[in-house]
Amino acid sequence: GENVEQHPSTLSVQEGDSAVIKCTYSDSASNYFPWYKQELGKRPQLIIDIRSNVGEKKDQRIAVTLNKTAKHFSLHITETQPEDSAVYFCAVNQAGTALIFGKGTTLSVSS
Amino acid sequence: NAGVTQTPKFRILKIGQSMTLQCAQDMNHNYMYWYRQDPGMGLKLIYYSVGAGITDKGEVPNGYNVSRSTTEDFPLRLELAAPSQTSVYFCASSGPTDYGYTFGSGTRLTVV
Repeated sequence: GENVEQHPSTLSVQEGDSAVIKCTYSDSASNYFPWYKQELGKRPQLIIDIRSNVGEKKDQRIAVTLNKTAKHFSLHITETQPEDSAVYFCAVNQAGTALIFGKGTTLSVSS
Repeated sequence: NAGVTQTPKFRILKIGQSMTLQCAQDMNHNYMYWYRQDPGMGLKLIYYSVGAGITDKGEVPNGYNVSRSTTEDFPLRLELAAPSQTSVYFCASSGPTDYGYTFGSGTRLTVV
């Protein structure tokens, strides 16, 4: 089955800095790569996603880049704010259906 | 439009007891999923369904059963609860062309 590795597991930045989280996957047939944000005690929320026919997608301060050849994709958050502090999960669709999630990255933004 | 509704929100079970976690969606989504999330960990896929009458195992199906008799409902059954099943359970749904998940608010289950 699909194997998703996410790094780093924790990330601490100063407000205004950029943050980058990277995920690698194993199944070359995967074609959908979302990122979810989960605040403490809440459900995961989709923040951005990308499909395999696109190399980069941006939405205000967040962006996702995809390298299908190398089987990795990354989340980029610019101008970080304290409210960006949360756990971020990458995911990959397995066999075109259910998502397999990475183990998560705890992002802490200090002001 | 409630989205994905999970009940109950909290439950404490004794070892060996059984229970059903309920999940319902009102978005006419074909795809539904059950995940468990252990502390400090990601979400592990238990079971999923691509439509009424069709279910499939995920990464960690042992100790669980599911059924999908209608498009709206996807209950998760725990038989003979064990402490290892202590977790937060999330149900989610998605449409056939929009892969993005809508998650329920979760059920926090403790087995003692």
